[in-house]
Amino acid sequence: EDKVVQSPLSLVVHEGDTVTLNCSYEVTNFRSLLWYKQEKKAPTFLFMLTSSGIEKKSGRLSSILDKKELFSILNITATQTGDSAIYLCAVETGTASKLTFGTGTRLQVTL
Amino acid sequence: NAGVTQTPKFRILKIGQSMTLQCTQDMNHNYMYWYRQDPGMGLKLIYYSVGAGITDKGEVPNGYNVSRSTTEDFPLRLELAAPSQTSVYFCASTAYRSPEAFFGQGTRLTVV
Repeated sequence: EDKVVQSPLSLVVHEGDTVTLNCSYEVTNFRSLLWYKQEKKAPTFLFMLTSSGIEKKSGRLSSILDKKELFSILNITATQTGDSAIYLCAVETGTASKLTFGTGTRLQVTL
Repeated sequence: NAGVTQTPKFRILKIGQSMTLQCTQDMNHNYMYWYRQDPGMGLKLIYYSVGAGITDKGEVPNGYNVSRSTTEDFPLRLELAAPSQTSVYFCASTAYRSPEAFFGQGTRLTVV
């Protein structure tokens, strides 16, 4: 059975802190790993990673994949209250672009 | 540009009732999916479709049915609702061979 595990489950930080969210996976037929941000409703896409060691960046967010050790990290620098959300890691497996999701990390950024 | 539209946004059902959750997308995506999200959990795949007339089971299909008669629409049918089906349901679509899923705003369903 495909498995995606995220840690920590929840995190409270002060505005301006840097956070690292973890995602490890055990799946058959890995194709890609994706990060989503979920605020109140629908998840929104952040990154897709397919190759080891290549960092993807978007503003204060960055992510990297290690296909040998089967994990990915999502870094957020200089956090803001608007970063408060659930961050979901998902792994694409097999055909039809099906995603297996982790349980998510709930991040709360306080003033 | 509507993207993925789900209706209704909220619904309360009594045990044993049936209902259909509607999902439509206007991006001409081949692939469509239904996920459910329970509190504190990630999303679990219920059913998916790779094109009109083709559907397949995901991880948690029991108690649900789907159909895909057009590229745009992918309704999810709940027969004989049970309290275990209380959840938030998300419909999503992707372009052919692209895993970047676009999600609808979700349907919060409570079965009492």
